[in-house]
Amino acid sequence: AQTVTQSQPEMSVQEAETVTLSCTYDTSESDYYLFWYKQPPSRQMILVIRQEAYKQQNATENRFSVNFQKAAKSFSLKISDSQLGDAAMYFCAYRSGGGNQFYFGTGTSLTVIP
Amino acid sequence: DAEITQSPRHKITETGRQVTLACHQTWNHNNMFWYRQDLGHGLRLIHYSYGVQDTNKGEVSDGYSVSRSNTEDLPLTLESAASSQTSVYFCASSESGEWNEQFFGPGTRLTVL
Repeated sequence: AQTVTQSQPEMSVQEAETVTLSCTYDTSESDYYLFWYKQPPSRQMILVIRQEAYKQQNATENRFSVNFQKAAKSFSLKISDSQLGDAAMYFCAYRSGGGNQFYFGTGTSLTVIP
Repeated sequence: DAEITQSPRHKITETGRQVTLACHQTWNHNNMFWYRQDLGHGLRLIHYSYGVQDTNKGEVSDGYSVSRSNTEDLPLTLESAASSQTSVYFCASSESGEWNEQFFGPGTRLTVL
């Protein structure tokens, strides 16, 4: 099974500042997809952003962007202009290209300081 | 709008009792999954199904079972609840294909006393 590692259990950021959440993964596959999910206090899991491994260009969704380093097996999430509503648990996830199972990291709890 | 629902949202039960958590999706997705979420462990896969009559064990399947009799529902049964099964349970569904993100239900908080 693939392993997804989030080495930062907790992070904090000042409102309007930028924060980067780290994620590394272990795989021998060349075709796969990577995802970041957000889980606010409501517990609802919300997809933030996704990246195909075969694409070199980093995905961007408004204030959220990723830094995908395929050789290093790294997939970090950058949140720009942090807002109070960004406070949540963030999960990194991996899915192989030919599969349907997701493998999740242990999560990073993000606090946004007003 | 299509959605995925779970019931109950909260459940308190006693050790040894049988408990069933419901999951219903209106996305018409083939794939359905059950996870448990515990602090420090993230989301761990319990069981999953890729279609009607198909069920598979995940990483932490001991003490749990599922059945898939139609596309919309994947109930999760705890045969004999244990305190170690106190957790938050999430159901998810997805379609097969390139962009098959998983859509999650709101979760069920289960407490086993």
